[in-house]
Amino acid sequence: NAGVTQTPKFRVLKTGQSMTLLCAQDMNHEYMYWYRQDPGMGLRLIHYSVGEGTTAKGEVPDGYNVSRLKKQNFLLGLESAAPSQTSVYFCASSFPLTYEQYFGPGTRLTVT
Amino acid sequence: SQQGEEDPQALSIQEGENATMNCSYKTSINNLQWYRQNSGRGLVHLILIRSNEREKHSGRLRVTLDTSKKSSSLLITASRAADTASYFCATEVPTSGGAQKLVFGQGTRLTINP
Repeated sequence: NAGVTQTPKFRVLKTGQSMTLLCAQDMNHEYMYWYRQDPGMGLRLIHYSVGEGTTAKGEVPDGYNVSRLKKQNFLLGLESAAPSQTSVYFCASSFPLTYEQYFGPGTRLTVT
Repeated sequence: SQQGEEDPQALSIQEGENATMNCSYKTSINNLQWYRQNSGRGLVHLILIRSNEREKHSGRLRVTLDTSKKSSSLLITASRAADTASYFCATEVPTSGGAQKLVFGQGTRLTINP
């Protein structure tokens, strides 16, 4: 099992460009999450999904969109990147009711 | 706003010593979890303690929970160089959509000196 994988690992964008981060899990988890991690801020939840075809906003959803067309994939989109979105992005997944979340290795995004 | 706050923000000890990290939170919780993050990596789940539990052990890890004080502590005994990492507490809060949402603290950066 690969667990949770994220692509790409690194990316540099110019302000106003768009991109999509892909998260894939092979553990048949129902729930998937996108977080961002900034220095001194811990992890903050951007969006999450409780199943295929469903998404919901987290703590800091502005400027991001998500889609869960397949159970194993959760996409995070930035339509018009801003320097404030420079961060490390983590995807996670879990089964319902077990609560333990499994994290991917992260994507380091820099917006100039 | 941050639900959990870790204390201290950084801790440096000698190998073999015990390391204690504390976490305080603001609202009622269903459970509290601790995660470890090695530099440049994703988080790894360490232990979960439910709101009706007071203490839990897993190998060299001991977690306590005091819901009256809204605080938890993580003790790592007989520390090793490989324990060098950042440690995060995460409190679980319910969401309207049914998923259990984790709210993370800012983390404690632990350094074990050989």
